[in-house]
Amino acid sequence: SQQGEEDPQALSIQEGENATMNCSYKTSINNLQWYRQNSGRGLVHLILIRSNEREKHSGRLRVTLDTSKKSSSLLITASRAADTASYFCATQAAGNKLTFGGGTRVLVKP
Amino acid sequence: GAGVSQSPSNKVTEKGKDVELRCDPISGHTALYWYRQRLGQGLEFLIYFQGNSAPDKSGLPSDRFSAERTGESVSTLTIQRTQQEDSAVYLCASRGRGAKLETQYFGPGTRLLVL
Repeated sequence: SQQGEEDPQALSIQEGENATMNCSYKTSINNLQWYRQNSGRGLVHLILIRSNEREKHSGRLRVTLDTSKKSSSLLITASRAADTASYFCATQAAGNKLTFGGGTRVLVKP
Repeated sequence: GAGVSQSPSNKVTEKGKDVELRCDPISGHTALYWYRQRLGQGLEFLIYFQGNSAPDKSGLPSDRFSAERTGESVSTLTIQRTQQEDSAVYLCASRGRGAKLETQYFGPGTRLLVL
């Protein structure tokens, strides 16, 4: 079963706009990670936020985590056509398994 | 160094046949994971290897699925008597030591089509 649920399932924006997607989960976690997937192939790790962190930045990415609401958001600022991809959140609880959500498909139009 | 590699890239097989999928993790990575991704969906955890510990097989969907790993190197995922519902991309990931303990590095996947 999927621990994380992304919202929206799909997002279409113009180049230069910001893209925001959300992830909700059900159980307590140690950390939450965001991955990007191009063309249905391998995933690339973007950013990790630990359960005791509230916000983290990496380049044009900003991730927030609200453990009281069991939710996270990923913001991509000043989007580019190359950001077109599927984005997945994944939660890690005790142990080393990651549990992935269903993903958000992002289309950035030039 | 080289990333995670998987072979074959694509596999088409007939229902009822067995298939073997291979994963070469990043050298020195102690942990290795297999996932399945059906079209348009997220990743489903299948199995996890960590060093010489017993693997976590809790995600394997049926006894037709099995996996092996030799030490801290190559892993093989075997699907016996394939069914059409097994059609998916099978992704392998490895994880290393040190500061990036939690980060998994994914291979490009094997796209399996069962006719």
